[in-house]
Amino acid sequence: NAGVTQTPKFQVLKTGQSMTLQCAQDMNHNSMYWYRQDPGMGLRLIYYSASEGTTDKGEVPNGYNVSRLNKREFSLRLESAAPSQTSVYFCATDRTGDYNEQFFGPGTRLTVL
Amino acid sequence: QKEVEQDPGPLSVPEGAIVSLNCTYSNSAFQYFMWYRQYSRKGPELLMYTYSSGNKEDGRFTAQVDKSSKYISLFIRDSQPSDSATYLCAMGYNFNKFYFGSGTKLNVKP
Repeated sequence: NAGVTQTPKFQVLKTGQSMTLQCAQDMNHNSMYWYRQDPGMGLRLIYYSASEGTTDKGEVPNGYNVSRLNKREFSLRLESAAPSQTSVYFCATDRTGDYNEQFFGPGTRLTVL
Repeated sequence: QKEVEQDPGPLSVPEGAIVSLNCTYSNSAFQYFMWYRQYSRKGPELLMYTYSSGNKEDGRFTAQVDKSSKYISLFIRDSQPSDSATYLCAMGYNFNKFYFGSGTKLNVKP
């Protein structure tokens, strides 16, 4: 029972390159989230998916796309990476109910040169 | 103006001290309030959850919500070196959108 897994753990890109961050959960949760964490800014929501087949924008969606591939997997794509996207990216999941605890993955550290 | 304001610290205390961590917020619609603990280079993990106003206690940790002042607090009694981490407050008004504070870094010295 791995909980929430993210790949890769680290990545260095050049400006303009594209990449996809992968997230998978084995907790049978409906909702999944992508956040970015920057110094002094806390966690900011990029996109979320309340259930399989649905996605919605969060606070900072520009420059990103997402795919909810199935109930387990939620990917985040950077089509043309920019230095401003250098950050630590966290995937999270929760049950979506009265008690709402988000479970976070270990994070992906992305540097865009 | 940020939705949630949190003093970034760092906060350094001796082992055994009582620690008080605080957040203020501007949106009166917030009704879900959480505290997360994040160790270095790890993902956040939920520490305390409170719905609406009031206090909640769990072992050495107490969470307080004062909706009239738009102010939440986390108290840690008998702090331990293992409590050294960054503490993030989070809050929201529906199930799928939460707003996080920037985090307070706590160091408990043996």
